[in-house]
Amino acid sequence: DAGVIQSPRHEVTEMGQEVTLRCKPISGHDYLFWYRQTMMRGLELLIYFNNNVPIDDSGMPEDRFSAKMPNASFSTLKIQPSEPRDSAVYFCASSFQRGGVTGELFFGEGSRLTVL
Amino acid sequence: AQSVTQPDIHITVSEGASLELRCNYSYGATPYLFWYVQSPGQGLQLLLKYFSGDTLVQGIKGFEAEFKRSQSSFNLRKPSVHWSDAAEYFCAVGADDYKLSFGAGTTVTVRA
Repeated sequence: DAGVIQSPRHEVTEMGQEVTLRCKPISGHDYLFWYRQTMMRGLELLIYFNNNVPIDDSGMPEDRFSAKMPNASFSTLKIQPSEPRDSAVYFCASSFQRGGVTGELFFGEGSRLTVL
Repeated sequence: AQSVTQPDIHITVSEGASLELRCNYSYGATPYLFWYVQSPGQGLQLLLKYFSGDTLVQGIKGFEAEFKRSQSSFNLRKPSVHWSDAAEYFCAVGADDYKLSFGAGTTVTVRA
């Protein structure tokens, strides 16, 4: 079975450029999460969706960040304009939690972003 | 809001020796507790989880964890470590809002 698929795996861009990260969750999962991992701050939850609807975006650092989930099989995280401090590994995770909070998170392999 | 503390940043253990990773959580109600493992360049994988019932939880790869409410702890253990256990380990606590809060992680190095 295919797991959570993220693209690109690596992205190097220059400050000011737009960056779009993509995620395909596991089919049938009803929750999708975007996390950011840095050495300084560890794993931070940026935003999560339930049935394609954003539920909590309180972790999104600022207006330069936006996320969408147009359908159950696709989500994007966009940074515009990008800054060097956005350099991090961005993880997408999905979960089947219908009826409870105890579902396991299935993580993608991450997108490593470097902003020069 | 819930939070997790992993006091040990880095642990080095000999192959075949036992391993214990510490995790302390802060949450006002009954927590949902998890241990995840991350190998280099990979995403996180669930090792085990605790929601209720038996406080000693068995997971994959020979790991177990014990929930101690009085100590607000959920320590991870393995009786005999293999070289393939070298990785970063994250403790996480969940709440009814479906959000997980992760600890800073403990890096485990296994020496031959």
